[in-house]
Amino acid sequence: NAGVMQNPRHLVRRRGQEARLRCSPMKGHSHVYWYRQLPEEGLKFMVYLQKENIIDESGMPKERFSAEFPKEGPSILRIQQVVRGDSAAYFCASSPKAVGFTEAFFGQGTRLTVV
Amino acid sequence: SQQGEEDPQALSIQEGENATMNCSYKTSINNLQWYRQNSGRGLVHLILIRSNEREKHSGRLRVTLDTSKKSSSLLITASRAADTASYFCATSLLDTGNQFYFGTGTSLTVIP
Repeated sequence: NAGVMQNPRHLVRRRGQEARLRCSPMKGHSHVYWYRQLPEEGLKFMVYLQKENIIDESGMPKERFSAEFPKEGPSILRIQQVVRGDSAAYFCASSPKAVGFTEAFFGQGTRLTVV
Repeated sequence: SQQGEEDPQALSIQEGENATMNCSYKTSINNLQWYRQNSGRGLVHLILIRSNEREKHSGRLRVTLDTSKKSSSLLITASRAADTASYFCATSLLDTGNQFYFGTGTSLTVIP
């Protein structure tokens, strides 16, 4: 059973470009979470999705950021018009049920660098 | 503000010694999970302890939970150089359960 797969592992974008980060959850997992980690800091929650639904996006910046988890295919975190401050590691996690009830497993992350 | 806070921020020990890290949180939880992160890598799930549990073991890991003090501890026995990493606790809150909150982490260095 493959783990949570994120790609790309590293992404470099110029200011103003769009960044698309992909996350394929573990088989059988329908709950996906996105987190952002700045250097030397802990992980900050961004958004929680189930298939085709955004359940909680309270941690997502209101502008330029969006997330989806379609019926088919990976979850996508999209950052439009990137700025230097978006440079960070973005992690996704998946779980078979909401994390109040079960473990969640993380991918290796996508390290976004905005130049 | 952070829900979880780990203590100490950094810990350096000799190989073979035990390492203890603590996590304190602010509000009632469903469960608490511990993760390890090697430098520049993803997070590895170590152990989950539910709010009605007091202690769990997994190999060289021992986790305790004291809900009255809103704190948890992670003990790594007979440490190895490969245990060098950052350790995070993550709490799932009782009232939401939609996400988990991470602490700032403990950076553990095991000296061979």
